[in-house]
Amino acid sequence: DGGITQSPKYLFRKEGQNVTLSCEQNLNHDAMYWYRQDPGQGLRLIYYSQIVNDFQKGDIAEGYSVSREKKESFPLTVTSAQKNPTAFYLCASRLGSREGSYNEQFFGPGTRLTVL
Amino acid sequence: RKEVEQDPGPFNVPEGATVAFNCTYSNSASQSFFWYRQDCRKEPKLLMSVYSSGNEDGRFTAQLNRASQYISLLIRDSKLSDSATYLCVVRDSSYKLIFGSGTRLLVRP
Repeated sequence: DGGITQSPKYLFRKEGQNVTLSCEQNLNHDAMYWYRQDPGQGLRLIYYSQIVNDFQKGDIAEGYSVSREKKESFPLTVTSAQKNPTAFYLCASRLGSREGSYNEQFFGPGTRLTVL
Repeated sequence: RKEVEQDPGPFNVPEGATVAFNCTYSNSASQSFFWYRQDCRKEPKLLMSVYSSGNEDGRFTAQLNRASQYISLLIRDSKLSDSATYLCVVRDSSYKLIFGSGTRLLVRP
């Protein structure tokens, strides 16, 4: 089955610990994105990557890091520097990565991170 | 001011009702417009794109008014399964998506 997978679905972390959220896609999509969603709020962009080995900061990148070593994988690390990490984290991907080419973003099922 | 603003609702309507949601956006250079649907504790899924001339997909009609910078979604003959949060989404000139906080719809029997 083609799609985007995120793991784990629920994650609990102690304050001060780093944690890595997984995002894998087998859709052969070029671009991948990480968003966070807080209750009653829209999705906010953390980081995005349009090609392998390249990524850009989104609107709220502080306290997060990413890598894009493979086309199908875009893991997100939530570091201890992130002050309010408890949120719903969503990964997305889309086919086109060049300007003038826009395709739908497909989302993974999300990971709910709770800091204890 | 938020870049994309929506009434959070909830809109509580009976089955069969017609309901309309509006959304305003602040960036006049916005390129594309979408409505996404998000069920409780699930990921958003694309409901429909919004075209300048307006477009319809079954019971759903989307309209865009560029001059006033607002987008609307009309749902006719509401079903119980339409209960969800509807996200207004705008693509800016850098190809990033900007999400509204969503309008919650509850359809009751």
